[in-house]
Amino acid sequence: AQRVTQPEKLLSVFKGAPVELKCNYSYSGSPELFWYVQYSRQRLQLLLRHISRESIKGFTADLNKGETSFHLKKPFAQEEDSAMYYCALFTGGGNKLTFGTGTQLKVEL
Amino acid sequence: DAGITQSPRHKVTETGTPVTLRCHQTENHRYMYWYRQDPGHGLRLIHYSYGVKDTDKGEVSDGYSVSRSKTEDFLLTLESATSSQTSVYFCAISGWGNLSSYNEQFFGPGTRLTVL
Repeated sequence: AQRVTQPEKLLSVFKGAPVELKCNYSYSGSPELFWYVQYSRQRLQLLLRHISRESIKGFTADLNKGETSFHLKKPFAQEEDSAMYYCALFTGGGNKLTFGTGTQLKVEL
Repeated sequence: DAGITQSPRHKVTETGTPVTLRCHQTENHRYMYWYRQDPGHGLRLIHYSYGVKDTDKGEVSDGYSVSRSKTEDFLLTLESATSSQTSVYFCAISGWGNLSSYNEQFFGPGTRLTVL
């Protein structure tokens, strides 16, 4: 069965420090992965998707099929990065996404 | 923001009462979804729709029903609300439409439901 695991509920870093939000997946097919971000009391919005290989707001994520991971990274955290981050796996059938439990990122001054 | 609205945005109700939440889209997307968001559980799919009058269950569908009579609207009904259904409910859309991007999901603003 498909599964997305985000092991950290809360990640606290200082401003200017590197950030890595972990995501591991389990899926028998060819994975398509996404990172969504939710700022305080706002709707979820797409941050990036592995297919596009973009860098959004300084964040990048590389799909590692060998380690079944899609970790989100940013070299220098900013205060405005504080938010909830969700990793999601596209599982086809009904165009569905399977979401992880989310990681709350807190960037401290 | 994408043309996805939810109503009401906040609701407080009592145990045992029926509740209907509405999701409305103006982007002409085929697929629509209802999720609930709870601390420690992330987003969990309740029900989804793959077309008008075509719906299916998600992972936490017990106690919920849905209906989709037209492309624009997807209704979520709690037949008899319980305290365990206190949550934030998000609607989402996907599929080819005005917003393009086949498998990306676009989210509504959420409805905060409290069942006393």
